[in-house]
Amino acid sequence: TQLLEQSPQFLSIQEGENLTVYCNSSSVFSSLQWYRQEPGEGPVLLVTVVTGGEVKKLKRLTFQFGDARKDSSLHITAAQPGDTGLYLCAGADNQGGKLIFGQGTELSVKP
Amino acid sequence: NAGVTQTPKFQVLKTGQSMTLQCAQDMNHEYMSWYRQDPGMGLRLIHYSVGAGITDQGEVPNGYNVSRSTTEDFPLRLLSAAPSQTSVYFCASSYGPGPPAYEQYFGPGTRLTVT
Repeated sequence: TQLLEQSPQFLSIQEGENLTVYCNSSSVFSSLQWYRQEPGEGPVLLVTVVTGGEVKKLKRLTFQFGDARKDSSLHITAAQPGDTGLYLCAGADNQGGKLIFGQGTELSVKP
Repeated sequence: NAGVTQTPKFQVLKTGQSMTLQCAQDMNHEYMSWYRQDPGMGLRLIHYSVGAGITDQGEVPNGYNVSRSTTEDFPLRLLSAAPSQTSVYFCASSYGPGPPAYEQYFGPGTRLTVT
């Protein structure tokens, strides 16, 4: 069974601080996605990384896929209150058709 | 496009009752999935479908049934509700296998409470 472990589960920081969220597994994934979810809504895709070692930037968010395609990280620079939400990583299994989600990281950015 | 729609948004059931959660998408996606979300456990796959007439089990299928008679609709049936099925349920759709096709579009969710 493929599992994804996210850390930390909770993160409370002040506006302007930097943070990193980690997503780790002992399994190899064909691709990995990061979603953001706000209260009362469904998750929304932020990015998909496909190639080992790949780095993608989305404004103040930087996503990295590990060289062995077993882990990923999300780094936020100068966090803002609007970044508050639940961040989920999800790995695509190699058999096709299914995503495996991590437990999520609840981020709170205080003004 | 409305994207992925789910009804109802909230539901309270008594133990033993049955009900159907509705899900529809207007993006002509082949893949559709049902997830449940519980605190600290992320999203867990219940059932999924790779096309009309084809369904398969996910990680937590017990107590749930699905069918896929059209590309657009993918209802989830709770056969005999139990308190352990209290959760938030999300329907999602995607183009198909392989990136970027794995990118899931989620509905707004149904919050279900079983008493």
